Amino acid sequence: AQKVTQAQTEISVVEKEDVTLDCVYETRDTTYYLFWYKQPPSGELVFLIRRNSFDEQNEISGRYSWNFQKSTSSFNFTITASQVVDSAVYFCALRPIIQGAQKLVFGQGTRLTINP
Amino acid sequence: GAGVSQSPSNKVTEKGKDVELRCDPISGHTALYWYRQRLGQGLEFLIYFQGNSAPDKSGLPSDRFSAERTGESVSTLTIQRTQQEDSAVYLCASSARWAGNEQYFGPGTRLTVT
Repeated sequence: AQKVTQAQTEISVVEKEDVTLDCVYETRDTTYYLFWYKQPPSGELVFLIRRNSFDEQNEISGRYSWNFQKSTSSFNFTITASQVVDSAVYFCALRPIIQGAQKLVFGQGTRLTINP
Repeated sequence: GAGVSQSPSNKVTEKGKDVELRCDPISGHTALYWYRQRLGQGLEFLIYFQGNSAPDKSGLPSDRFSAERTGESVSTLTIQRTQQEDSAVYLCASSARWAGNEQYFGPGTRLTVT
């Protein structure tokens, strides 16, 4: 069975602060994908990133960065110099890389509020 | 290009009535997924289509829920004899054939059962 835990239900910071969203996962599969999605107030999920379990290189995209640590089963997401437009619910998700396994297992989400 | 579209965007229905929710995936995407998101919760997987067949229906919560897909395109999720606990946002996603491709989500249908 797979499980994704986002322990932080809500985070509120002031604009320009850095903020890290935690994601911890459980799986018995040896190969899997990890994802982050953003859900702004409009409701539509926006894909942010996909990582393979065999690639532990951290990734940076503009103000966004991701830290994948297989040893601690964590895939944390950091936003530097946060902006009001970053306010949204962020979901971490997992999917094994095996034939027929297509569904995403989502965490409960972290509601991020950036205050001006 | 056009993304995943869903209709209606909002649906209010009385308990006991049947509802149909529609999803139009991205053109050329062979995989289609339905998820449910209850208020303040994460997404729960319902069903997955590859082409017109559904190899994984494990998330359908009861036999009141069914889904079909035709022409490797449009999908319809049907909920019969709706109950108040069915109130949620129903999200559809699609992806290209090959494993690993990310799922693109539609805006969802907000279902309210009164």
